Amino acid sequence: EAGVAQSPRYKIIEKRQSVAFWCNPISGHATLYWYQQILGQGPKLLIQFQNNGVVDDSQLPKDRFSAERLKGVDSTLKIQPAKLEDSAVYLCASSSYTSGDTQYFGPGTRLTVL
Amino acid sequence: QKEVEQDPGPLSVPEGAIVSLNCTYSNSAFQYFMWYRQYSRKGPELLMYTYSSGNKEDGRFTAQVDKSSKYISLFIRDSQPSDSATYLCAMSIQGAQKLVFGQGTRLTINP
Repeated sequence: EAGVAQSPRYKIIEKRQSVAFWCNPISGHATLYWYQQILGQGPKLLIQFQNNGVVDDSQLPKDRFSAERLKGVDSTLKIQPAKLEDSAVYLCASSSYTSGDTQYFGPGTRLTVL
Repeated sequence: QKEVEQDPGPLSVPEGAIVSLNCTYSNSAFQYFMWYRQYSRKGPELLMYTYSSGNKEDGRFTAQVDKSSKYISLFIRDSQPSDSATYLCAMSIQGAQKLVFGQGTRLTINP
């Protein structure tokens, strides 16, 4: 079974630029999560999708962050404009009811904002 | 006060030692408790998953939950260099969704 795929793995941008991350969850997983992990901290949930609907985006900074999951499979997370404090690893995870809701994480995208 | 507190370490022990990792939490509504292992430049992977109080054992790993003290532990017996990683505790009110993570403890096992 293929795991959660994310791209790119690394991205360096200047502040005020925009950036997008892509996630392909495990096949058949209805629930998809985006987390932000700042260096030395645990992951923080940004947004949770159930199929193509948003379940929880209470911690998503909506003035600059947006996410979509069209067709209920792949998802993109966008930051526009980026700030220095957005430097972090962005993790995507997916889960399914049949797997007991266990979240499986991708390798993450490491973003550096200069 | 953070909902979940975890000593970030770093923790360094010799190979074969018993390792004890701990988290405390403030939200008494948490019912589900997890430990994740995260190798450098990788995503977290689930190690242990327990519901409510009690112990759970899986090979060299034992997870303990004491809800009365709001305290959870992960024990690693016969530690190996391959156990060197960051260990994250996570907990939730409802199943494995809406996880709240601790800061993570960086562990190094020295050969």
